[in-house]
Amino acid sequence: SQQGEEDPQALSIQEGENATMNCSYKTSINNLQWYRQNSGRGLVHLILIRSNEREKHSGRLRVTLDTSKKSSSLLITASRAADTASYFCATDDSNYQLIWGAGTKLIIKP
Amino acid sequence: DSGVTQTPKHLITATGQRVTLRCSPRSGDLSVYWYQQSLDQGLQFLIQYYNGEERAKGNILERFSAQQFPDLHSELNLSSLELGDSALYFCASSPGQGGSPLHFGNGTRLTVT
Repeated sequence: SQQGEEDPQALSIQEGENATMNCSYKTSINNLQWYRQNSGRGLVHLILIRSNEREKHSGRLRVTLDTSKKSSSLLITASRAADTASYFCATDDSNYQLIWGAGTKLIIKP
Repeated sequence: DSGVTQTPKHLITATGQRVTLRCSPRSGDLSVYWYQQSLDQGLQFLIQYYNGEERAKGNILERFSAQQFPDLHSELNLSSLELGDSALYFCASSPGQGGSPLHFGNGTRLTVT
């Protein structure tokens, strides 16, 4: 069963705009990760946020975690065409097994 | 480059056949994970090996099996193939048993005709 659920399923924005994706989960977690997948390629790890952290930054990426609401958001600022990809969140269970959401498909229009 | 190597990149075979997918993990990583991704779908976890031993099992069909060898490379065997097995099969690796980021290969695209 899927624990992480991304929202929206698809997002299309203009280059230069900010993109926000959300992830909700159901049970307690140790950490939450975000990955990017370009079409037909392997996933690339973007950022990991631990359950005791509330916010984390990496370049143009900002991830927040609200454990009380069991949700996380990924913000990509000043989007570029190269950001066009699918974005997945993954949460781990008590046995550190990752549970994946279905992903958000992001399209950046030039 | 993730350091994870998967071969072959593409595989076309007929229903009822058996294929073997191969994965070499990133240097130093002891865990290997196998995932299935059908067209425009999310990732379906199949199985994880850690240092040669099976650590976790997901929704892996009985027709599928895997193993991790002493040199840590892994193979995923798919038998009695059906049309619905057509998918991207990814291998990922990590240093420990869990809790750290995964490094993915570029996958094997399997087409069953």
